[in-house]
Amino acid sequence: SAVISQKPSRDICQRGTSLTIQCQVDSQVTMMFWYRQQPGQSLTLIATANQGSEATYESGFVIDKFPISRPNLTFSTLTVSNMSPEDSSIYLCSVSTNMGRKQYFGPGTRLTVT
Amino acid sequence: QKEVEQDPGPLSVPEGAIVSLNCTYSNSAFQYFMWYRQYSRKGPELLMYTYSSGNKEDGRFTAQVDKSSKYISLFIRDSQPSDSATYLCAMMGTNFGNEKLTFGTGTRLTIIP
Repeated sequence: SAVISQKPSRDICQRGTSLTIQCQVDSQVTMMFWYRQQPGQSLTLIATANQGSEATYESGFVIDKFPISRPNLTFSTLTVSNMSPEDSSIYLCSVSTNMGRKQYFGPGTRLTVT
Repeated sequence: QKEVEQDPGPLSVPEGAIVSLNCTYSNSAFQYFMWYRQYSRKGPELLMYTYSSGNKEDGRFTAQVDKSSKYISLFIRDSQPSDSATYLCAMMGTNFGNEKLTFGTGTRLTIIP
């Protein structure tokens, strides 16, 4: 399986600011995804990061709030914009080379918004 | 009703016991079934991956899928303290609108030495 790193591992941010989270993979992968994990809840898919085109967002998530970039097959960023305390969560990237069926996750970014 | 239901636990068992973790689901389109293990402050780690119904064994871990009952299980034999983690089930379909992973909420497991 691929080795996936995320930066930052954690951050505390003020309301109204933005944070960009980076996801780096040690090999080329076809699919990259961004998830949110809130305490006591399932992992929720935010969007699929598409290389060379706009991300595909799930219901309830919009590009203005969660802009995503994927400039190549090993790197993606997720920005959490105009943050509020409700955005406090763990954000995870995952990768797949198998049509999204086998997904491998990064270590996560723990975000606290005050 | 959630698409995937998983008992959140917590579940505590003595070392060496057999652990049974379960999920039920409602979407008959799900064809791929996975179990992830997540240690505290870490990302989920893929443990087991199965397609359609049947059993799959990997060391001390056995995954079972019963599509007729919409029920999946993960068994851990000879449980160890290092198995203490949160276990998440996940599943996925193949037809339009079902190609994304849907997760359970996770079961927190503690193995008592």
